[in-house]
Amino acid sequence: GAGVSQSPSNKVTEKGKDVELRCDPISGHTALYWYRQSLGQGLEFLIYFQGNSAPDKSGLPSDRFSAERTGGSVSTLTIQRTQQEDSAVYLCASSLVVGDEQYFGPGTRLTVT
Amino acid sequence: KNQVEQSPQSLIILEGKNCTLQCNYTVSPFSNLRWYKQDTGRGPVSLTIMTFSENTKSNGRYTATLDADTKQSSLHITASQLSDSASYICVVQNQAGTALIFGKGTTLSVSS
Repeated sequence: GAGVSQSPSNKVTEKGKDVELRCDPISGHTALYWYRQSLGQGLEFLIYFQGNSAPDKSGLPSDRFSAERTGGSVSTLTIQRTQQEDSAVYLCASSLVVGDEQYFGPGTRLTVT
Repeated sequence: KNQVEQSPQSLIILEGKNCTLQCNYTVSPFSNLRWYKQDTGRGPVSLTIMTFSENTKSNGRYTATLDADTKQSSLHITASQLSDSASYICVVQNQAGTALIFGKGTTLSVSS
């Protein structure tokens, strides 16, 4: 079956603009995760959703970052007033339930100029 | 402070040779330890998952070991191939299963 998909694959934006990154999880997976991978750094957890429960936002680096998951499926990560330090690859993963094997999407490479 | 440390940061080996990648962690208690392979421009793909009670797990030419007493894990790659060139990431999941703590990865380059 189809894996996790993300769009766009690449995004270049000017400093100060808002961006939206999209993640389509594997069908039937109730848990969805967002990570950030900066150059030379490990993956940094941002936020996860489990079913209809309130999301765990503990990893969001600032209030410019927010995420939604509509209908328990597709998720959107929004970064407002982007800064150059936001440049990174943003990875989405999903799993059947929290704690289960996570399957990653290909990522969105964000470049803030 | 990163709770998962990997070494070496990068490694270059000749095709056909074996290599071992190291992972030290301080996450405690933990649920499981995972090794992922991440090709350039792709998302990570799981290689092995070991619970705290397991000592070794194999996946083809990949063999992972875990010593929960010393909080160390290793990933051994046998008879390396060019396609093994990638970043290998060690990940520890906390006991509650709510967080994955990622190492920074080891970049492996296999040359002919």
